[in-house]
Amino acid sequence: QKEVEQDPGPLSVPEGAIVSLNCTYSNSAFQYFMWYRQYSRKGPELLMYTYSSGNKEDGRFTAQVDKSSKYISLFIRDSQPSDSATYLCAMSLNTGFQKLVFGTGTRLLVSP
Amino acid sequence: EAQVTQNPRYLITVTGKKLTVTCSQNMNHEYMSWYRQDPGLGLRQIYYSMNVEVTDKGDVPEGYKVSRKEKRNFPLILESPSPNQTSLYFCASSPRQTNEKLFFGSGTQLSVL
Repeated sequence: QKEVEQDPGPLSVPEGAIVSLNCTYSNSAFQYFMWYRQYSRKGPELLMYTYSSGNKEDGRFTAQVDKSSKYISLFIRDSQPSDSATYLCAMSLNTGFQKLVFGTGTRLLVSP
Repeated sequence: EAQVTQNPRYLITVTGKKLTVTCSQNMNHEYMSWYRQDPGLGLRQIYYSMNVEVTDKGDVPEGYKVSRKEKRNFPLILESPSPNQTSLYFCASSPRQTNEKLFFGSGTQLSVL
C-alpha cells in the first residue's frame, strides 16, 4: 500500500464547476500538507500549504485536512480552463528538511 | 526573477555514456533536491542537500551521483546511464526552515536508449 493515494483521473468538468480533489494517507504522523499544481511540461508549483487539521482558503482555492480520517482535499470554486493541470498532494512529518511524500497526481481538465 | 534553472530540457543518450544535468538557483536557498517523475509512481526523491558539501540519499539513489560545491549549484550525474533511468527529472530548492515550500525547475526529459 502506498503511503499516499491519489486518483490519477483525468477529472473532466465544465467551466464554472466546483472541483474536489482528494488524497488519502496511511501515516497518521503526517502534520504538514501541501498541494502543488503542475502544468504540462512544467515543474510543480506550490499552491496551498496547511499545518495539521482544518481549512485554509486562498481565493478560489480551499484546502481541507481531516486527520481523523487521514484525508485531505482541495476545492476549486468557479473552475477555469486555466486550472487545467495535474494536482499533486504532498505531506511531511515535520518542518525543516523533512522528507516530502508526494501523491501521484490527479489530472484536471476544465472545458470552456 | 527568482528561479531554479535546469539544463538541458531534453536529452537523448545511449546506455553507458556519462552525462550531467545541471541545476542552479538564485534564491540563496540552503536546501536542494533532485526528483524523478514516472507515470504511476509520482515524484520520487533521488538525492538531497541541506547545504554546501552536505548531501544524502533519497528514496532512489542507485545509479546517480550529486555534488554541492557551491550553494547555488547542485548537478546530477549519471555515470553509466541505463534505460531504466529514462524519466522526467526535477531539481528543487527551498529555504532552510521551510523545505515543504519547494521551488521546482522546469524539468529535464531524459531518454536512455
